[in-house]
Amino acid sequence: DQQVKQNSPSLSVQEGRISILNCDYTNSMFDYFLWYKKYPAEGPTFLISISSIKDKNEDGRFTVFLNKSAKHLSLHIVPSQPGDSAVYFCAARHSGTYKYIFGTGTRLKVLA
Amino acid sequence: DAMVIQNPRYQVTQFGKPVTLSCSQTLNHNVMYWYQQKSSQAPKLLFHYYDKDFNNEADTPDNFQSRRPNTSFCFLDIRSPGLGDAAMYLCATSRDFTPGPQETQYFGPGTRLLVL
Repeated sequence: DQQVKQNSPSLSVQEGRISILNCDYTNSMFDYFLWYKKYPAEGPTFLISISSIKDKNEDGRFTVFLNKSAKHLSLHIVPSQPGDSAVYFCAARHSGTYKYIFGTGTRLKVLA
Repeated sequence: DAMVIQNPRYQVTQFGKPVTLSCSQTLNHNVMYWYQQKSSQAPKLLFHYYDKDFNNEADTPDNFQSRRPNTSFCFLDIRSPGLGDAAMYLCATSRDFTPGPQETQYFGPGTRLLVL
């Protein structure tokens, strides 16, 4: 029973265009959502996060949108760069705990 | 400067032979986590420590144990590795208060375990 789902295992985007990565969740007790980026042979690194009381958070080229009614969040990268090619994980935190649940990841390939 | 260090990066063990993976951190974080990640799957939380308070996930096999002798170090012991335990093992840390906008977990590079 996967509480955090990333239904697209891969995505290819042309350099300079927008990349949109999606994530769905089922547990309404999640209060904090994060996106991580992972390169081969490295651990995941934090990219951007959003609290459940917000619907948007922006950091440079990265914007995360949260739609609580739909239990859906998305990561927008614009403009996409070849260095953005990596696996992106969505994660959610149970309210009142230190426990994070991860999605299966989406492999983004940005084509030069 | 490395903040979460995992040793070794690659570990080969034999079926049934106990193995220990180690993690250390220079962040002085109170919370440490161990995740198991198999190919094309989500990282799966095995357990976490808040200081010395151990929190085991309900579906973590008894074969997996952990020790945290001090704030900086945490160990994952696999008592009798099976072929199905071959995976990437990720250690992570976090601070102990409600996360702010930039608060998160910090991951080590992982140890890839191969069971022969």
